[in-house]
Order: sequence, then C-alpha cells, then structure tokens
Amino acid sequence: TQLLEQSPQFLSIQEGENLTVYCNSSSVFSSLQWYRQEPGEGPVLLVTVVTGGEVKKLKRLTFQFGDARKDSSLHITAAQPGDTGLYLCAGAPTGNQFYFGTGTSLTVIP
Amino acid sequence: NAGVMQNPRHLVRRRGQEARLRCSPMKGHSHVYWYRQLPEEGLKFMVYLQKENIIDESGMPKERFSAEFPKEGPSILRIQQVVRGDSAAYFCASSPLEQTHTEAFFGQGTRLTVV
Repeated sequence: TQLLEQSPQFLSIQEGENLTVYCNSSSVFSSLQWYRQEPGEGPVLLVTVVTGGEVKKLKRLTFQFGDARKDSSLHITAAQPGDTGLYLCAGAPTGNQFYFGTGTSLTVIP
Repeated sequence: NAGVMQNPRHLVRRRGQEARLRCSPMKGHSHVYWYRQLPEEGLKFMVYLQKENIIDESGMPKERFSAEFPKEGPSILRIQQVVRGDSAAYFCASSPLEQTHTEAFFGQGTRLTVV
C-alpha cells in the first residue's frame, strides 16, 4: 500500500509548455514536502507546505497544499530542460517517519 | 556547514561479501532515515533511527540487513552476504530532533553494485 500516490508517473514535454504534477493521499499530513532528484544525485528539498490551501511560489514553480491537507500539486510554467528530473512529494502523517510518493519523472525536451 | 555526507559514493561487492554504507547527518540532526532506490523508481523506506535507537525498521529485510546509529560516529547500514538483487542506490536523510514540521535533507547516496 502506497501512502502517497503521484501522477503522472512519467511526463515528457516540449520546452516552454506548462505542466502539473499531483500528489494524493487518503491520510492527513501536517505538512508536505516536494523534492527534485537529478540522475546520480540525492533528492533536494524544494519547498514545504504547511497550511491547508497554502500556495507557495518558487520562480516558475507553484506549489499548492489541498484544503484538507491530503493532497498537493506542483505546477511548472514554461518548462525548461533544466527542470528535468524526478519530482517526489513526501510527508510525515504521524511522528517523524517520512513517506515518499511514487515519483514523477519529468523530461523537458529542448 | 556541511550537508548529509554519505560514503562511499560507489561500492562494488562480489556476491556473498559484506557491504557497509556510512551516513553522517547534518550538524544538529539526530534523526536518520535510510532509503533504497532502484533505477527509474521512487524511494523505498528502510529504517528510521535516532541516536542509539532503532525507531522503525519495518521497511528493512529481516535477514542480512542491519542498521545502527551510535552515540558517536556515523550511522551504518550493513548488508551481509550480498546478492545481485541488493544492487541499488541507498540514500540517507537526516532531520533535527525538535521540529514542528519535519523536513529531511538527503545525502548524495551510495550506489551499490553486486557482481
């Protein structure tokens, strides 16, 4: 059983297009984190969302936390080849144990 | 202000040998998590440790795998009698002891190849 489901699993788009990645769960999280992982490297923390309905922006990336704190989305505007990587959501519904989503592998074609 | 340090970055072992993977958490962090990642897949939780304690090892195979986080020194993930199926990238993450909204920071991983 996967606590955090991400969709789509794979995404290949042209440079300049917009995209949205989803992270869904049936559990409530006090916070959710988004990470990006590039080939051969460890995941790097992008953002933490805390409040239900919260929206955070990081340059061309917009992160939203669902009102019920069970889901989150990541929207990328005008994708660039440098955005290519594996995007992971993660959270700790209870205590400090982290659960990671299934991941979305994004490829941006120049 | 060093981040999470893992070593070695690459490790090659023959079937039946032992593999030892080390993780030094960020300064001030006392929670350590180990994850395994196969190519093209996400991160699979293995074990969660605090100093001198294993908090949750539900994701770790009961045989051949063990983990520790001693009072002094790095956390160690130990795989005895490695098999080809153990080949993967192993990541360690750390987080602080007291934090309202937990954030974990990752090392660069150890890539284990069993030949």
